[in-house]
Amino acid sequence: DGGITQSPKYLFRKEGQNVTLSCEQNLNHDAMYWYRQDPGQGLRLIYYSQIVNDFQKGDIAEGYSVSREKKESFPLTVTSAQKNPTAFYLCASSIVNTGELFFGEGSRLTVL
Amino acid sequence: QKEVEQNSGPLSVPEGAIASLNCTYSDRGSQSFFWYRQYSGKSPELIMFIYSNGDKEDGRFTAQLNKASQYVSLLIRDSQPSDSATYLCAVRPLGDYKLSFGAGTTVTVRA
Repeated sequence: DGGITQSPKYLFRKEGQNVTLSCEQNLNHDAMYWYRQDPGQGLRLIYYSQIVNDFQKGDIAEGYSVSREKKESFPLTVTSAQKNPTAFYLCASSIVNTGELFFGEGSRLTVL
Repeated sequence: QKEVEQNSGPLSVPEGAIASLNCTYSDRGSQSFFWYRQYSGKSPELIMFIYSNGDKEDGRFTAQLNKASQYVSLLIRDSQPSDSATYLCAVRPLGDYKLSFGAGTTVTVRA
């Protein structure tokens, strides 16, 4: 089945630790995205990538980093510099021409 | 001014009624418009998209677009308890492939 796989689904982190969230897609989509969602809030764009080895900052990139070494993969690292990292993180992909986003199931990060 | 604005709700409707959700956007050149449904604790799923002015119907859902007024709406007919969710409006601005999202409208259907 084609889709987007995020892991882990739930993650707990101590303050000061970096964590990496995995996102893999087999939809052959060029573009991939990371969004953050806080309770009762909409989606805020962290980073996005249209092609391999290229990515751009979204609206709230501070404290996050990404890589795009393969078309299928777009991991997100939440660094210790992110002041309030507890949130629901969503990875998505799209065909650039249509803009329609397909989402993974999300990763819920809790900082203890 | 936010790029995409939605009434946050909550919008409470009785079962069988019509739920009407509204969305306005600021970029007059926006090309494509999407409605996503998000159940609590889950990821968004696409329910409708619309590109042209007018109405587009899919089952119990109707999307309405008025580019002159920069307004897109979603009607849910014969609302069911399973329609209780947050509905996100997303807009593709001119010259961009990224979507801009509204904050979402929470709908509760009362049995």
